[in-house]
Amino acid sequence: AQKITQTQPGMFVQEKEAVTLDCTYDTSDPSYGLFWYKQPSSGEMIFLIYQGSYDQQNATEGRYSLNFQKARKSANLVISASQLGDSAMYFCAMREVYSGAGSYQLTFGKGTKLSVIP
Amino acid sequence: AAGVIQSPRHLIKEKRETATLKCYPIPRHDTVYWYQQGPGQDPQFLISFYEKMQSDKGSIPDRFSAQQFSDYHSELNMSSLELGDSALYFCASSVTGSPLHFGNGTRLTVT
Repeated sequence: AQKITQTQPGMFVQEKEAVTLDCTYDTSDPSYGLFWYKQPSSGEMIFLIYQGSYDQQNATEGRYSLNFQKARKSANLVISASQLGDSAMYFCAMREVYSGAGSYQLTFGKGTKLSVIP
Repeated sequence: AAGVIQSPRHLIKEKRETATLKCYPIPRHDTVYWYQQGPGQDPQFLISFYEKMQSDKGSIPDRFSAQQFSDYHSELNMSSLELGDSALYFCASSVTGSPLHFGNGTRLTVT
């Protein structure tokens, strides 16, 4: 079973509008972390935001916020006031603390390609 | 701020050749990870090192090996290259429990 599911292969948003990118996850670990990364066409992987499973409040970083609904196992990324430079692939990822891995490596979703329209 | 440095940025090799990718993690980060991202795919975890010891292994082919050196830099060695090895290879580093910070990647093309 997929541990991270991103159901939107592609999304379009008008410049200056807000957009929500969906992410659901599957884990039996009580302690885990959820991450969002941005990958522009140039290829680099840029860390955006992090949410821990025990965090009481939703994470925010500038124009990025994470809508964390633990009971529904969802961790949607909200980008406010979209800019042309936000056009990129966005990956949701999870780290399971008690997976036995020992290295806290990330498992990624398939990604959502966001296109911002002028 | 210092970032993860990867070299080379681009590499072209022929089938059955070998390739070595290098990674210099962010200073004081104790864990290094290697990921492979095929065209149009999500990154797949290959291997990781914690304080220079291998800590976890993912879907890394037996033809690939990696190590972390005393100065904390890491190298991914790939032998008997196949066309399917063409991908973007990322190195990432972190302090235990903190977000992974990725390098800009090495784009390997096997012809």
